Amino acid sequence: EADIYQTPRYLVIGTGKKITLECSQTMGHDKMYWYQQDPGMELHLIHYSYGVNSTEKGDLSSESTVSRIRTEHFPLTLESARPSHTSQYLCASNWGHEQFFGPGTRLTVL
Amino acid sequence: QKEVEQNSGPLSVPEGAIASLNCTYSDRGSQSFFWYRQYSGKSPELIMSIYSNGDKEDGRFTAQLNKASQYVSLLIRDSQPSDSATYLCAVNITPGKAAGNKLTFGGGTRVLVKP
Repeated sequence: EADIYQTPRYLVIGTGKKITLECSQTMGHDKMYWYQQDPGMELHLIHYSYGVNSTEKGDLSSESTVSRIRTEHFPLTLESARPSHTSQYLCASNWGHEQFFGPGTRLTVL
Repeated sequence: QKEVEQNSGPLSVPEGAIASLNCTYSDRGSQSFFWYRQYSGKSPELIMSIYSNGDKEDGRFTAQLNKASQYVSLLIRDSQPSDSATYLCAVNITPGKAAGNKLTFGGGTRVLVKP
């Protein structure tokens, strides 16, 4: 299994602020993913990475951006938060064929 | 047609009974299949993975895969109130295609186990 860490766990922030959601894993996994999920709704893949300096957009269009400078870290950034960005953001990584999730960050934009 | 389909439920099951969840997928070349359990407000937790046709058992959980019919199912035996959650089916579509190792998730089936 993977130990995946996400910070912060909860974030309430005002419109227009720049935010970065952190995701890290200590197992050296190459494949990492960001999902967005509204309460009671489906998971949507918004970004993924297959290794350092590799990032791709997912199935759901997102105004967020990601970077993968180090294997361990896969941060997600919103340059200007809006209320429509209010959601839960889940980071995941692959151990072989299996994908494991971090605890998530619940973001509320006022 | 969605790539991975599940009945949204809720599936109401008496305590001690068997809960049966189904999932169908559209990509005939799919190779890897997963079941996740997600409690309200929490992140998905991997409970089963299956790669070959047939049954795979792990404790009270049994995953069943039928690639010819393009469905995968999950049985929960001796259901407990703590099994009440949303169960997500996920499929790793054909390796080598542009989508690579991404998982495609179904919408989930909500299970309620009543004491």
